[in-house]
Amino acid sequence: DIVLTQTPLSSPVTLGQPASISCRSSQSLVHGDGNTYLSWLHLRPGQPPRLLIYKISNRFSGVPDRFSGSGAGTDFTLKISRVEAEDVGVYYCSQATQPPYTFGQGTKLEIK
Amino acid sequence: QVQLQESGPGLVKPSQTLSLTCTVSGGSISSGSLYWSWIRQPAGKRLEWIGRIYASGSTSYNPSLKSRVTISLDTSKNQFSLKMTSVTAADTAVYYCARYDFWGGGRHDYWGQGTLVTVSS
Repeated sequence: DIVLTQTPLSSPVTLGQPASISCRSSQSLVHGDGNTYLSWLHLRPGQPPRLLIYKISNRFSGVPDRFSGSGAGTDFTLKISRVEAEDVGVYYCSQATQPPYTFGQGTKLEIK
Repeated sequence: QVQLQESGPGLVKPSQTLSLTCTVSGGSISSGSLYWSWIRQPAGKRLEWIGRIYASGSTSYNPSLKSRVTISLDTSKNQFSLKMTSVTAADTAVYYCARYDFWGGGRHDYWGQGTLVTVSS
């Protein structure tokens, strides 16, 4: 199985400041069709998980443009340009290039 | 707006069968190009993909759970279901259902709220 490793595991951030989360894959996530199926999810207690980014850098419907994704091959990054209070929670990277689909261990974003 | 909602017993005895249903609203479960997944998260651990079913009924499972898991569709009710046999305490987790759109970008784009299932006698 593909193992996704996220850093940091915890990220205390000041409101209005940027945040960045890294996700490293144990093998290339480039699919045979040329696409890279790397997504980012946001989980908050009591709410359904929310898709933020898919195929490395595509924002899902309704996701604010302060969220951006980048990377290639085995190294990927989620950036929040200016953290807002509603951004607290746990962020997960996820790959759908090769079944079984797998997830990172999560990064907890909290406000300082 | 597509919405998913899990339902089922919150407590299951060891060695018994866990059964959950996901009701989909705002879209047809029979739509081509869409898959429907079950994913779980034990407390303090990462999310784990259990398996998925296509609109045609074809399935794909995580090899680590394949021998114990069955996912099925009920198109008349716009639902899909999960059955997991011979459960143990290790199966205690929050279980999510989610829509997987391969052609839309290989993404789990809509999720249920999740339901906690505890395996205990």
